[in-house]
Amino acid sequence: DAMVIQNPRYQVTQFGKPVTLSCSQTLNHNVMYWYQQKSSQAPKLLFHYYDKDFNNEADTPDNFQSRRPNTSFCFLDIRSPGLGDAAMYLCATSRDNQNTDTQYFGPGTRLTVL
Amino acid sequence: GEDVEQSLFLSVREGDSSVINCTYTDSSSTYLYWYKQEPGAGLQLLTYIFSNMDMKQDQRLTVLLNKKDKHLSLRIADTQTGDSAIYFCAESMRSSASKIIFGSGTRLSIRP
Repeated sequence: DAMVIQNPRYQVTQFGKPVTLSCSQTLNHNVMYWYQQKSSQAPKLLFHYYDKDFNNEADTPDNFQSRRPNTSFCFLDIRSPGLGDAAMYLCATSRDNQNTDTQYFGPGTRLTVL
Repeated sequence: GEDVEQSLFLSVREGDSSVINCTYTDSSSTYLYWYKQEPGAGLQLLTYIFSNMDMKQDQRLTVLLNKKDKHLSLRIADTQTGDSAIYFCAESMRSSASKIIFGSGTRLSIRP
């Protein structure tokens, strides 16, 4: 029944060691989003894909990249994780990019940087 | 600018009503949302209201919108232990339909 799946749920990496988080969806939605949520803070949009079109937020650091090889999968790559990148990373999808299109969230991946 | 503010904590007695408040700054907001996040889980959309509405009711949930004061509230009637969670207020922008701006969340705790 899971619609937005994130793996792994917990990820530990070392300072500076590249890490990839994955998200998959069974909804066949056009739009996929990546959010960063630090402790006791609001989720912050990093970027989103509308189909194959990548939309980066202006304040997203270059250290964060994303790939969407097909409709179902989207990856978040952190090229050189710093201690400040420790956070919960949430993937979400929506059917389209209108206000009326609900965003469905996955359970998140909690990233620890040692 | 875009800013959504909420109080951080709310404690209510089981069976009472909970009222979670939110203020936003952008008058061009089109939709306003309430999301629920349980421990270790993602965000679940509870309800939303279009900016030209004043009120929306859905079972135990009542959303009130005061556009003049840019104030949004979520009332949960007959609060249960299962309602313990963080509640996020959020708005979507007319200028960018896919972008949602979240508040910092209100942690609701239920006491017996």
